[in-house]
Amino acid sequence: AQSVTQPDIHITVSEGASLELRCNYSYGATPYLFWYVQSPGQGLQLLLKYFSGDTLVQGIKGFEAEFKRSQSSFNLRKPSVHWSDAAEYFCAVAANAGNNRKLIWGLGTSLAVNP
Amino acid sequence: DTGVSQNPRHKITKRGQNVTFRCDPISEHNRLYWYRQTLGQGPEFLTYFQNEAQLEKSRLLSDRFSAERPKGSFSTLEIQRTEQGDSAMYLCASSTRTLYEQYFGPGTRLTVT
Repeated sequence: AQSVTQPDIHITVSEGASLELRCNYSYGATPYLFWYVQSPGQGLQLLLKYFSGDTLVQGIKGFEAEFKRSQSSFNLRKPSVHWSDAAEYFCAVAANAGNNRKLIWGLGTSLAVNP
Repeated sequence: DTGVSQNPRHKITKRGQNVTFRCDPISEHNRLYWYRQTLGQGPEFLTYFQNEAQLEKSRLLSDRFSAERPKGSFSTLEIQRTEQGDSAMYLCASSTRTLYEQYFGPGTRLTVT
């Protein structure tokens, strides 16, 4: 069965420091992978996606993610974190069950940013 | 493109009451999804529409839950005889036949007292 694991429940970084959030997936075929961000009181916003091709994908707000098939990972990175990046981050994989492309989610990583 | 909208944003109800939520997807999106999210968890899939047809329901969705999408536009999610365990954020997302990514509304937070 498809699944997503985000090993880190909570991460704290200092403003200006680099960030890496981990995501591991279990999927039999080529996965369709996503990172979403959820701020308090806000809906889920798509940061970036990977379908195929270049394994390093760029997203909004200065985020990037690297797909590594050998490690079944899709880690999210940012070189320099801003205080406004404090939020909940979710990794997801799209099920490919016929027409239903429901998203299967990790539990999320809560990011806190120290000034 | 005004994005996905959901109403109401918050709903407080007493146990045993019925509630209904509405989702308006992005206008050209023919696929619509409902998810439920509880504190500290990722969203969980509830049901999926392609146009007006409800093509899949999760086993999480008890028979107290019903969803509709008349005319393939907005969708409603109704919960009958609410229980405290129904307290959660209910998220709606839309997409198209050619997209894999989904675009989410702000959610409806339900509190059952």
